[in-house]
Amino acid sequence: SQTIHQWPATLVQPVGSPLSLECTVEGTSNPNLYWYRQAAGRGLQLLFYSVGIGQISSEVPQNLSASRPQDRQFILSSKKLLLSDSGFYLCAWSHRRGPGNTIYFGEGSWLTVV
Amino acid sequence: EDKVVQSPLSLVVHEGDTVTLNCSYEVTNFRSLLWYKQEKKAPTFLFMLTSSGIEKKSGRLSSILDKKELSSILNITATQTGDSAIYLCAVGVLGGAGSYQLTFGKGTKLSVIP
Repeated sequence: SQTIHQWPATLVQPVGSPLSLECTVEGTSNPNLYWYRQAAGRGLQLLFYSVGIGQISSEVPQNLSASRPQDRQFILSSKKLLLSDSGFYLCAWSHRRGPGNTIYFGEGSWLTVV
Repeated sequence: EDKVVQSPLSLVVHEGDTVTLNCSYEVTNFRSLLWYKQEKKAPTFLFMLTSSGIEKKSGRLSSILDKKELSSILNITATQTGDSAIYLCAVGVLGGAGSYQLTFGKGTKLSVIP
């Protein structure tokens, strides 16, 4: 069966510091991978998605970036965090093909920028 | 811009009540509509609907899609305190480069009191 893991689960970082959140998927190959953010009072917002190694699409302009160095690894980064980057970050995956696919989420990472 | 709207935003009911949660959408390249339950951390998958008029059931939960009205409902009968959560509606669309993306509503916060 497929599993998805992301870490760290909780992070408190000062403004201006770097960020790295990591996500790995097991039990499947060639997945679509996603990073979502859930800010207080808002719905889940898609930040990045990837259909393959090195292929990243950004949905919203921001100071975050994503990379996919391996098929089942997805990394969310920032060189300098802003207060507005605080939120709940979720990595997710889906099968590559199909008329409609379920997206499965990792456990989430709480980021507080202070 | 794709849009998913859920109503009500919050709901308080007593144990044993039946509730109906609503989701309406305006998207291009519709592929599916999904319902998730979010308690403390990551959303967990409930249903995926792709065909209009076909009810999906799981225990006390059921859901149906109306493609003509661009909407879906999630019903919970005989509610229990364990049903307290945020219920998220998401619509899956085909994105660029063959990707599949979900656009989320802001969710309905359901509180079930004994």
